[in-house]
Amino acid sequence: EVQLVESGEGLVQPGGSLRLSCAASGFTFSSYAMTWVRQAPGKGLEWVSAISNSGGTTYYADSVKGRFTISRDNSKNTLYLQMNSLRAEDTAIYYCAKKSLNYGYMKGDYFDYWGQGTLVTVSS
Amino acid sequence: DIQMTQSPSSLSASVGDRVTITCRASQSISTYLNWYQQKTGTAPKLLIYTASSLQSGVPSRFSGSGSGTDFTLTISSLQPEDFATYYCQQSYNTPYTFGQGTKLEIK
Repeated sequence: EVQLVESGEGLVQPGGSLRLSCAASGFTFSSYAMTWVRQAPGKGLEWVSAISNSGGTTYYADSVKGRFTISRDNSKNTLYLQMNSLRAEDTAIYYCAKKSLNYGYMKGDYFDYWGQGTLVTVSS
Repeated sequence: DIQMTQSPSSLSASVGDRVTITCRASQSISTYLNWYQQKTGTAPKLLIYTASSLQSGVPSRFSGSGSGTDFTLTISSLQPEDFATYYCQQSYNTPYTFGQGTKLEIK
């Protein structure tokens, strides 16, 4: 059974940093690309970032580019999101999700399994 | 960025009803369109990928169609567990973008 478990929830001041983790099990982690999607309170879904299976290719939404860094450790079956220079508008539940393919981006791919999400609150 | 627009934003229906949700892309995306279901307080769940392929384990009352810019998600006979919010998402190019969601409520 595929399981994705996020951690790193927290309250951080504007300008601060936080690192999220996503522990994966139930599939060959090193064979699949992964992604982060966020959802602000009461709002819709917003794609944040994606990474190829090897970690060699990464993609970011413009809203987080230069502030967030996605990475992975295939030896630990873990995905990360390092978030710096946090803003109030980054407040959201952050979901990690498994992608259907190994590429960081490919036409026609999709997010077939999702974690339960972890809440990031940016407030003074 | 490709804009995805869903209609309606909310919908009231009864158990047993046939329901259709529409998603329109701001440019042609071929069939690179996915549908997700999200129940309150839980993570999204993949229902349909590449416009019309049913994800494993998803009931056959769910179906998807469309290509180019116009897509539909149809639930043939609503069940109590189907009341949720539905999102479309394009995977034609990055950034991946989602529709604003359609909240399906009990009438």
